[in-house]
Amino acid sequence: EIVLTQSPGTLSLSPGERATLSCRASQSVSNRYLAWYQQRPGQSPRLLIYGASSRATGIPDRFSGSGSGTDFTLTISRLEPEDFAVYYCHHYGDSPRTFGQGTKVDIK
Amino acid sequence: EVQLLDSGGALVQPGGSLRLSCAASGFTFSSYVLSWVRQAPGKGLEWVSVISRSGATTYYADSVKGRFTISRDNSQNTLYLRMNSLRDDDTAVYYCARNEFNDYWGQGTRVTVSS
Repeated sequence: EIVLTQSPGTLSLSPGERATLSCRASQSVSNRYLAWYQQRPGQSPRLLIYGASSRATGIPDRFSGSGSGTDFTLTISRLEPEDFAVYYCHHYGDSPRTFGQGTKVDIK
Repeated sequence: EVQLLDSGGALVQPGGSLRLSCAASGFTFSSYVLSWVRQAPGKGLEWVSVISRSGATTYYADSVKGRFTISRDNSQNTLYLRMNSLRDDDTAVYYCARNEFNDYWGQGTRVTVSS
């Protein structure tokens, strides 16, 4: 089983600032089958990035994903008020699939 | 418009059983892999199970293997999760999701296991 470790646990930033979230895998993620999701309180998760760097339909270009192998990054170039939420990474290449424990981005 | 409607959640006693459903619309159901993901109160997301387009291939998290069964009815555009021998730690909101990378999610259905 691939264990995904996200850091930091909480990121306190101000609107307009840049957010950099990390997801490290315990072993290589095949074919870059790594996705990122945003979850706001009381809502279902929303897909942001798949294939490590492809933006999902309707996702603003301030969200970008990068990485390969065991190290992946989600970057939000300029935080908007609606971006303060919890973010999860997820590998879907092989089963069992797993999620990271999440990074909360909150307002400083 | 793609829609996934989760249902079937309830309060159930430990050791009990439940069947969740996910009714899909707005896309060709049989063309997509489908998954169940759960979230315990105040916790993160946990992958539960995935099923292939035909239903012939299924995978499970170790925490539910042997107790949960995922299935689908492509003629009814519905995904199921049969849950047996329920435990306290199965308490969660259960979501169905479409595609290998979960591009659409249901609204979730709450399962509470408690005596």
